[in-house]
Amino acid sequence: GAVVSQHPSRVICKSGTSVKIECRSLDFQATTMFWYRQFPKQSLMLMATSNEGSKATYEQGVEKDKFLINHASLTLSTLTVTSAHPEDSSFYICSANSGGNYNEQFFGPGTRLTVL
Amino acid sequence: AQRVTQPEKLLSVFKGAPVELKCNYSYSGSPELFWYVQYSRQRLQLLLRHISRESIKGFTADLNKGETSFHLKKPFAQEEDSAMYYCALLGSGTYKYIFGTGTRLKVLA
Repeated sequence: GAVVSQHPSRVICKSGTSVKIECRSLDFQATTMFWYRQFPKQSLMLMATSNEGSKATYEQGVEKDKFLINHASLTLSTLTVTSAHPEDSSFYICSANSGGNYNEQFFGPGTRLTVL
Repeated sequence: AQRVTQPEKLLSVFKGAPVELKCNYSYSGSPELFWYVQYSRQRLQLLLRHISRESIKGFTADLNKGETSFHLKKPFAQEEDSAMYYCALLGSGTYKYIFGTGTRLKVLA
């Protein structure tokens, strides 16, 4: 099946700094990628839809100036958490749709962000 | 409103017992329904989808349009089935999933 990678797998940063998370589709092109946030033992919360070559679409309540998304190529989307605060600590997961017949989404392994 | 409801946060069963994880949805058109599973320390992965009508790892799920349900069932639970299960809906003409809140299944020895 299609593979989606994320980098880094975990990151610890100081409050006020910015952190960039990469999401790559390794063996397919993805015009659309999705960014989720997952709290411990809870569901995935869709943050935004990343569209190649255009602006991301953010879900209600998600600050677009805080969570910057760039989808510059068909295999790479980045999420930058700007001026991170401890409450931003979470597990961030991306996914991509391979565009096949069954609309399956392939998920990355996630990135654990800890803001001190 | 488009919504996926999984009423149980946690479901504990004994090994060999039947399992049913409930999923109800609200959608005005004809959605596609999926079950995704997340094993401990692994990424989320597709378990099954309603259009393929297949059985994966002994699990089946039937789409009941009258009851707007897509419950996941397995006749005999195994310990390795312990995981987090998410029901998801994909509306027509979109790639954006709507996930339920998930049910944690614990299969006890």
